[in-house]
Amino acid sequence: DIQMTQSPSSLPASLGDRVTITCRASQDIGNYLRWFQQKPGKSPRLMIYGATNLAAGVPSRFSGSRSGSDYSLTISSLESEDMADYYCLQSKESPYTFGAGTKLELK
Amino acid sequence: EVQLVESGGGLVKPGSSLKLSCVASGFTFSSYGMHWIRQAPKKGLEWIALIYYDSSNKYYADSVKGRFTISRDNSKNTLYLEMNSLRSEDTAMYYCANSGDAWGQGASVTVSS
Repeated sequence: DIQMTQSPSSLPASLGDRVTITCRASQDIGNYLRWFQQKPGKSPRLMIYGATNLAAGVPSRFSGSRSGSDYSLTISSLESEDMADYYCLQSKESPYTFGAGTKLELK
Repeated sequence: EVQLVESGGGLVKPGSSLKLSCVASGFTFSSYGMHWIRQAPKKGLEWIALIYYDSSNKYYADSVKGRFTISRDNSKNTLYLEMNSLRSEDTAMYYCANSGDAWGQGASVTVSS
């Protein structure tokens, strides 16, 4: 099975900061990588698909990138509404696997 | 508006069975693969099952293989998850999602004696 190692697990940050969350894939997944945002008590929301493509309605301060087996989600200037949990998901092959999650919180 | 609405959750005893449903609207259900994903209390997301748009292929996480069955009825725009031999570790919020960007609001399943 493909393992997705997500880091950090917790990320304290200030409003206006540039923040980056990373997932490393244990095998080649090409660009079959999605990023989700989840706020307390809510369903996850797709933010990035195909590793680098912004989902509909997602603010342009969010971006996705890939360097080899490392996939990153970057928020260029943190806003209060971005405080949430973030998860990566590989959809290259079954079983699909999520990263363990990153809790983005105010410093 | 795209909508996915789960139902069928509840409190059940270990070893029992439960069947979840997910009714879809606002998109062409029969054209999309569909997933079930769950989230145990205070834990992360766990993908558990996928069914192709035409039911030709089904895939499961090892944690549920042999106990859970995913199915769909395209004539009713409905996705199902039949859960047997339930364990305490199956306690979670269960979400259905399409292979695009739509998720349901979740159905809560609690397995406890």
